[in-house]
Amino acid sequence: EIVLTQSPGTLSLSPGERATLSCRASQSVSSSYLAWYQQKPGQAPRLLIYGASSRATGIPDRFSGSGSETDFTLTISRLEPEDFAVYYCQQYGSSPWTFGQGTKVEIK
Amino acid sequence: EVQLVESGGGLVQPGGSLRLSCAASGFTFSSYSMNWVRQAPGKGLEWVSYISSSSSTIYYADSVKGRFTISRDNAKNSLYLQMNSLRAEDTAVYYCARAPFWGKGTTVTVSS
Repeated sequence: EIVLTQSPGTLSLSPGERATLSCRASQSVSSSYLAWYQQKPGQAPRLLIYGASSRATGIPDRFSGSGSETDFTLTISRLEPEDFAVYYCQQYGSSPWTFGQGTKVEIK
Repeated sequence: EVQLVESGGGLVQPGGSLRLSCAASGFTFSSYSMNWVRQAPGKGLEWVSYISSSSSTIYYADSVKGRFTISRDNAKNSLYLQMNSLRAEDTAVYYCARAPFWGKGTTVTVSS
């Protein structure tokens, strides 16, 4: 199975700053079937990015995804107060689906 | 718009059974493979099971193999997860998913 490793584990930033989250795969992710999710306490994961770089419906353009094969990045251009949360990457190109362990973006 | 709505969660004793359902809408259900994913309290996300569009291919995580059964009814646009011999470690929110869309989840608590 494909192992996804997210870094850093925690990112401490201030509102207005840029956040760069990394997701590295142990082998190439088929057809860039890589998604990013945001999760806040007590809520279901919210789809942000699919296909490595396509924003889901209603997602602000401050969120962007990039990368291919084994290296993927989620960038939040300017952090808003509501963006402080845990972010997960997921590959859905091959079975079994696998997930990164998450990156927590916290207020500095 | 893709919509996935899970139901059937609840409190069950260790060794008990529960059947989860997922009602799908907004897409041609019979054309897509489906998955169940779970998240234990305070933990990360764990894939549980996969079923192909025609039910011909099914996979399970090792942690649930032999205890859980995934199935679907394409005529009813519904996905199911029959969970038997439940353990405390099965306590989690269970999500129905059609890549890359997820439902809001249903909570399963296994406790005496």
